[in-house]
Amino acid sequence: GAVVSQHPSWVICKSGTSVKIECRSLDFQATTMFWYRQFPKQSLMLMATSNEGSKATYEQGVEKDKFLINHASLTLSTLTVTSAHPEDSSFYICSAIRQLSNTEAFFGQGTRLTVV
Amino acid sequence: RKEVEQDPGPFNVPEGATVAFNCTYSNSASQSFFWYRQDCRKEPKLLMSVYSSGNEDGRFTAQLNRASQYISLLIRDSKLSDSATYLCVVRLSNDYKLSFGAGTTVTVRA
Repeated sequence: GAVVSQHPSWVICKSGTSVKIECRSLDFQATTMFWYRQFPKQSLMLMATSNEGSKATYEQGVEKDKFLINHASLTLSTLTVTSAHPEDSSFYICSAIRQLSNTEAFFGQGTRLTVV
Repeated sequence: RKEVEQDPGPFNVPEGATVAFNCTYSNSASQSFFWYRQDCRKEPKLLMSVYSSGNEDGRFTAQLNRASQYISLLIRDSKLSDSATYLCVVRLSNDYKLSFGAGTTVTVRA
């Protein structure tokens, strides 16, 4: 079964509104989670690293005021796309590292955001 | 230059065929390597890790060539269910960040 749960799986919103996406680790604690974005036929691009109890680390070119990340607990990170525009329409995926011997990354189911 | 580059394909093969493809990575300090599988509109799922000596998991064989900085995946006896996009993923040793290739699309036809 899934070890990382992401909600919602899809959302359609109007331009100018904000959308919150949740990422939960289900049976382990994740001090670090990652948020990716994937446009059609392109690779997953890391947007930011979410650190529990501290500020997120954003990749170059990602606006921290537009993509708000909150990692308030060891099992939950949220990404809020503020004042969404059509160009923000994409597939957003979170992942968490379960720190076993192979430190495998597990991914949420992804959220398909469409801004109209 | 992209950190991880893959031939996008598509590779169209008949059932039972063998298909192989590579990916190259730019950072020579990379230490961990993986192949993930991504189905259309779904999240990536780990197919297999890639070890220095090469490794096999059923019909899947992965190889790593550190000198040339490339990783390969070979699928034997292809099944219809192998149709997917295969993502080459690389991680630095002291960093949990993953770098993804854009994926190689494989379509297995009956």
